[in-house]
Amino acid sequence: AQTVTQSQPEMSVQEAETVTLSCTYDTSESDYYLFWYKQPPSRQMILVIRQEAYKQQNATENRFSVNFQKAAKSFSLKISDSQLGDAAMYFCAYREGEYGNKLVFGAGTILRVKS
Amino acid sequence: DVKVTQSSRYLVKRTGEKVFLECVQDMDHENMFWYRQDPGLGLRLIYFSYDVKMKEKGDIPEGYSVSREKKERFSLILESASTNQTSMYLCASSLGGLAGLRQFFGPGTRLTVL
Repeated sequence: AQTVTQSQPEMSVQEAETVTLSCTYDTSESDYYLFWYKQPPSRQMILVIRQEAYKQQNATENRFSVNFQKAAKSFSLKISDSQLGDAAMYFCAYREGEYGNKLVFGAGTILRVKS
Repeated sequence: DVKVTQSSRYLVKRTGEKVFLECVQDMDHENMFWYRQDPGLGLRLIYFSYDVKMKEKGDIPEGYSVSREKKERFSLILESASTNQTSMYLCASSLGGLAGLRQFFGPGTRLTVL
């Protein structure tokens, strides 16, 4: 079975600085997708960024980017120019390829942003 | 944008009670999911439905059942609530196949079983 590990229960960052959240996963599949979801306090979980395993290029969405290391099974999220609104629980998630529907989540990382 | 709503934000029930959690989505999504979220464990899939009346067990189905009689509505049922089912329950929906790479989540129901 696939597993997703987030080894950092909590992280802190100063406003305007950069922070990296770590995620590793275990799978024997070659076709899969990886995601970072954000869950703000008392608000709905939303998708931040997605990476297709077949793409070598790292995904980027504005201030959010990933470092996808397929051989190492590592998928970290970098947040640049951190803002107070980035404070949330961040979950790394895995999904199998074409015929998969289900997500496997990591335990989550709480990100605190200091002003 | 897709809206996923859950019937209650907070619920308190007694041990042994039958509990219904309701989820409704408004975007004609084929897939609907029920997760429970616990500190240190992340989200774990309880049940998944890919069509009306169709369901598939997730990783932790014991003590739960589901019902999907209409495409937009997916219910989670705790037949006899127990204290170890105290948790945050999240519903999600998505399109089918590769069109459904993104799941849309509801606000969650925090259930306390006394």
